[in-house]
Amino acid sequence: GAGVSQSPSNKVTEKGKDVELRCDPISGHTALYWYRQRLGQGLEFLIYFQGNSAPDKSGLPSDRFSAERTGESVSTLTIQRTQQEDSAVYLCASSLGGAGNLGYTFGSGTRLTVV
Amino acid sequence: QKEVEQDPGPLSVPEGAIVSLNCTYSNSAFQYFMWYRQYSRKGPELLMYTYSSGNKEDGRFTAQVDKSSKYISLFIRDSQPSDSATYLCAMSITGGGNKLTFGTGTQLKVEL
Repeated sequence: GAGVSQSPSNKVTEKGKDVELRCDPISGHTALYWYRQRLGQGLEFLIYFQGNSAPDKSGLPSDRFSAERTGESVSTLTIQRTQQEDSAVYLCASSLGGAGNLGYTFGSGTRLTVV
Repeated sequence: QKEVEQDPGPLSVPEGAIVSLNCTYSNSAFQYFMWYRQYSRKGPELLMYTYSSGNKEDGRFTAQVDKSSKYISLFIRDSQPSDSATYLCAMSITGGGNKLTFGTGTQLKVEL
C-alpha cells in the first residue's frame, strides 16, 4: 500500500483480556518499529524488526508484551492480561533500513483503552 | 533525567510569526537529529533530519544542531495556521536500523 496501515484504529478492552494489534508496513520496507505514545508523553520505543528477526526488543515493558513479524511484512503486537497502564496509542513505523536511512513512515496508530 | 527534554508548550503565535522550537539532550552519542510533525490523531511525519552539527534549511523550515551544547532547534518562518500541530524532536545514535529517542513534543498553535 501507499502508507503504513494499522488496525484496529481504536480498541477498548477489559482489564485482563489479551489484545492483538496489527501493522502492515510499506511494501519493500525491511525495517519495522513499534512505539508507544502515552497521553502527554513522547514516543517510547518498544521493538525493532529487520526482516523477520528482532535485533532490538529492549523497549518491551514486560513479558506480557510480545511481537512477531512474518514474511518480512505484517507485524502483530500482542499484549496479554492487559492493565490500565497499557492504555496508549501504539504506533508502527517502517523504513528501508540500512545505515543512514532515516525515512521512517509512521501509521496513524491504534488507540488502546483498557477499562 | 530524561535523555531528551522538550518544553511541551502549548505555544501560541500569530500568523506570520517566526517560531523557535528546541530540545536539549544528555547522550553525547546521538549523531542523527530529526524533527517530526504530528497532527491530532495522526502518526508523526518526518519534517527534517540533520547529521551531526550544523544547519539545514528546507523552505520555511530551518533545523540547527549544536552538539557542543547538546541543543537542537527548529525554526519556522512565516508561520501558517496549517503549521498548528505537535512538533517532536527525535535522535538516533546510528541512522536507520536503530531506535529513535523522542522528546515529549511541543504543541504549537498558529492563530489568524
